[in-house]
Amino acid sequence: TQLLEQSPQFLSIQEGENLTVYCNSSSVFSSLQWYRQEPGEGPVLLVTVVTGGEVKKLKRLTFQFGDARKDSSLHITAAQPGDTGLYLCAGGGRTSYDKVIFGPGTSLSVIP
Amino acid sequence: EPEVTQTPSHQVTQMGQEVILRCVPISNHLYFYWYRQILGQKVEFLVSFYNNEISEKSEIFDDQFSVERPDGSNFTLKIRSTKLEDSAMYFCASRPPPGQGYGYTFGSGTRLTVV
Repeated sequence: TQLLEQSPQFLSIQEGENLTVYCNSSSVFSSLQWYRQEPGEGPVLLVTVVTGGEVKKLKRLTFQFGDARKDSSLHITAAQPGDTGLYLCAGGGRTSYDKVIFGPGTSLSVIP
Repeated sequence: EPEVTQTPSHQVTQMGQEVILRCVPISNHLYFYWYRQILGQKVEFLVSFYNNEISEKSEIFDDQFSVERPDGSNFTLKIRSTKLEDSAMYFCASRPPPGQGYGYTFGSGTRLTVV
């Protein structure tokens, strides 16, 4: 059974600080996605990484896929209150229509 | 931006009753999914649907659950006889054809409360 773990579970920081959250597994994933979820809403896709070692940037967010495709990190530079939310990683299967497995999420709170 | 639409946003039902949750996926997407999220827990896979049939289902998706794409537009999840433990947010998602990205587009969910 493929499982994804995320750390930390909760993170509360001041506006302007930098942070990194992690997503780890003992399994290899063909792709890994990061989502942000607001309370009462569905997850919203931020990025998909596919190649081991891949780095993608989305404004102040930097995503990295581990070389072995078992782990990923999300780094946020100069966090803003608008970054507050639940950050979910999700690992994809071997084919494009396979289900993804979600991690439990990191709940981020950015205090003004 | 294209979106996945789910109705209703909230549904309260009595235990043992049937419910149908409705979804309109993005029009050119080919792969459809239902996930659920019990309050405070992980997003869990229920079922995937492609080419008018179930591709994969989880252990959660037992005989009480069924999915249908009745008219080429809607994608429904039916729970025949609801139980208290079916209370959760149910999310529909769709995915584009191969070569157009891996990411899911999720709907805003239906909050199902079984009393």
